[in-house]
Amino acid sequence: QVQLVQSGAEVKKPGASVKISCKASGYTFTNYYVHWVRQAPGQGLEWMGIIDPSGGSTSYAQNFQGRVTMTRDTSTSTVYMELSSLRSEDTAVYYCARDLNPPFADSSGYPTYWGQGTLVSVSS
Amino acid sequence: QSALTQPRSVSGSPGQSVTISCTGTNSDVGGYNFVSWYQQHPGKAPKLMIYDVSKRPSGVPDRFSGSKSGNTASLIISGLQPEDEADYYCCSYAGSYTFGVFGGGTKLTVL
Repeated sequence: QVQLVQSGAEVKKPGASVKISCKASGYTFTNYYVHWVRQAPGQGLEWMGIIDPSGGSTSYAQNFQGRVTMTRDTSTSTVYMELSSLRSEDTAVYYCARDLNPPFADSSGYPTYWGQGTLVSVSS
Repeated sequence: QSALTQPRSVSGSPGQSVTISCTGTNSDVGGYNFVSWYQQHPGKAPKLMIYDVSKRPSGVPDRFSGSKSGNTASLIISGLQPEDEADYYCCSYAGSYTFGVFGGGTKLTVL
């Protein structure tokens, strides 16, 4: 079965960076995009970006351009999301999610299989 | 990219139907048939309920349906059940590989 397992909670100071991992299993890693979505406490969902694990290409939401970097390691079937210049407003649960279908199929672009979430707390 | 507009809350009794609206612009909801809906229970990850405006992933009950007219998409839940009580989020493609503009979320209460 499809599983995405994320790294554990992080506590960071303002200005620091955080790097979260998301290890995939149960499917062919390079065949499906992976999305990153975050949710601040008591708030809604916010799409951060997407990575193609096959070639490593990425697309980031405008709000995160210049601060987010998504990478992958095909040898371990793991994707990473690094967010820099952290501020208190970045306190949130960060989710990785595999797409519904491969990019070459109909109906792709939908985060469908989600990791358990990683809480990032930013505080001085 | 601005968030899509959803009502903060809706409610209904068991067995009734409810509709949750999601209003965007010509650049997102109105411009593409790539609208999805997610259900989220407290403390849990979101679950995809509808994609491509009106398609259901396998395992999602047919009580859940979706539609779109112009810049507004809708999620219709018929035959409400207690376990449907959750937060619901709409989401739309917005061009240029921006796959996810989300709505602010709607809290569904089953009375």
